[in-house]
Amino acid sequence: KQEVTQIPAALSVPEGENLVLNCSFTDSAIYNLQWFRQDPGKGLTSLLLIQSSQREQTSGRLNASLDKSSGRSTLYIAASQPGDSATYLCAGTTSGTYKYIFGTGTRLKVLA
Amino acid sequence: DTEVTQTPKHLVMGMTNKKSLKCEQHMGHRAMYWYKQKAKKPPELMFVYSYEKLSINESVPSRFSPECPNSSLLNLHLHALQPEDSALYLCASSQEDRANVLTFGAGSRLTVL
Repeated sequence: KQEVTQIPAALSVPEGENLVLNCSFTDSAIYNLQWFRQDPGKGLTSLLLIQSSQREQTSGRLNASLDKSSGRSTLYIAASQPGDSATYLCAGTTSGTYKYIFGTGTRLKVLA
Repeated sequence: DTEVTQTPKHLVMGMTNKKSLKCEQHMGHRAMYWYKQKAKKPPELMFVYSYEKLSINESVPSRFSPECPNSSLLNLHLHALQPEDSALYLCASSQEDRANVLTFGAGSRLTVL
């Protein structure tokens, strides 16, 4: 059974810091991988999608990479801002299915 | 229209009630999903519909009954729920059944008394 672990579980940093969030899958045969953010009590907003043929995606201050050999993904946030405070979730599929399995999440707080 | 709309936003029901959650999207997406999320936990997949047919049921109890009347609508019918079913229910859609970008609604917060 696929299990997804995110490290750290919680993070509190001053504004302006560069951050690295980690995501690790027990089954490294990841097909698609998405990173989401979730504000308290709200739905999920998709940040980046790394499809099966890709290894990396960038959007603004965000960069996500996927190492398929180890089943690990990293989300890099540059120059963090208080508006980045949220829970960040990674989710992946295997073997081209539509069954996204979510990670345990990282709760981020960026202090002004 | 790039949204997934869920109604109601909040629902309180007793254990003997019958109620429904609704989800609508007009992006032409052909896969639609129901997820359940408990507090401080990740979302857990319940059901997936692909081209209006149920393709995944994650061994969800029969007191939850999904329905996809057409390609834009997804319902979750609720009957004889338990207090432990209280959670945020999230609907999502994607362009094809190969799980491209998932677009989520804001969720329906369910409380079972």
